[in-house]
Amino acid sequence: GAGVSQSPSNKVTEKGKDVELRCDPISGHTALYWYRQRLGQGLEFLIYFQGNSAPDKSGLPSDRFSAERTGESVSTLTIQRTQQEDSAVYLCASSLVPGNEQFFGPGTRLTVL
Amino acid sequence: SQQGEEDPQALSIQEGENATMNCSYKTSINNLQWYRQNSGRGLVHLILIRSNEREKHSGRLRVTLDTSKKSSSLLITASRAADTASYFCATDYNDYKLSFGAGTTVTVRA
Repeated sequence: GAGVSQSPSNKVTEKGKDVELRCDPISGHTALYWYRQRLGQGLEFLIYFQGNSAPDKSGLPSDRFSAERTGESVSTLTIQRTQQEDSAVYLCASSLVPGNEQFFGPGTRLTVL
Repeated sequence: SQQGEEDPQALSIQEGENATMNCSYKTSINNLQWYRQNSGRGLVHLILIRSNEREKHSGRLRVTLDTSKKSSSLLITASRAADTASYFCATDYNDYKLSFGAGTTVTVRA
């Protein structure tokens, strides 16, 4: 596809359940990023992949959050035992190489009831 | 914090007027990127300006960077209703992590 795609676009879950969010970066982009945007706020960095490795996981809020990337392509962000404060829009971005323009997907809006 | 801070928080202008918003940051950066966001979704990349650049243009957009003052500005000329959106600056100081401010909400009145 031409741009970054994410699925699902919306996810409603109950507190305590696990969720998986998917990101398909632009083909050929080596770097992939996850961010979170809470209502009315700017974006918070979560994690960054260069290829399939994650040099910086410092933004992950807790050990309930994890992410992986396979085949230097698709990435999944997993949130275990979701809490209400996890409700946010989760945005994925990719860039050709680190330090270049980051292009964002449409996001997944997660609502934890 | 490396976070960029936009100013003003909100801006309301008449169609056809120019809109200027500013971004200040705290430490040295590799590049600074401006984004537009409509209705809380879909961040659209506008311009990337590197630390060794002072000005860049893209259509009706003009971005300046003053590294001595640690500030950047985004100018939208001849604004249109479709420019109504939130605008964010994002600073990149390590070539991967973007730090975003809270944004400037621009409303263009017809």
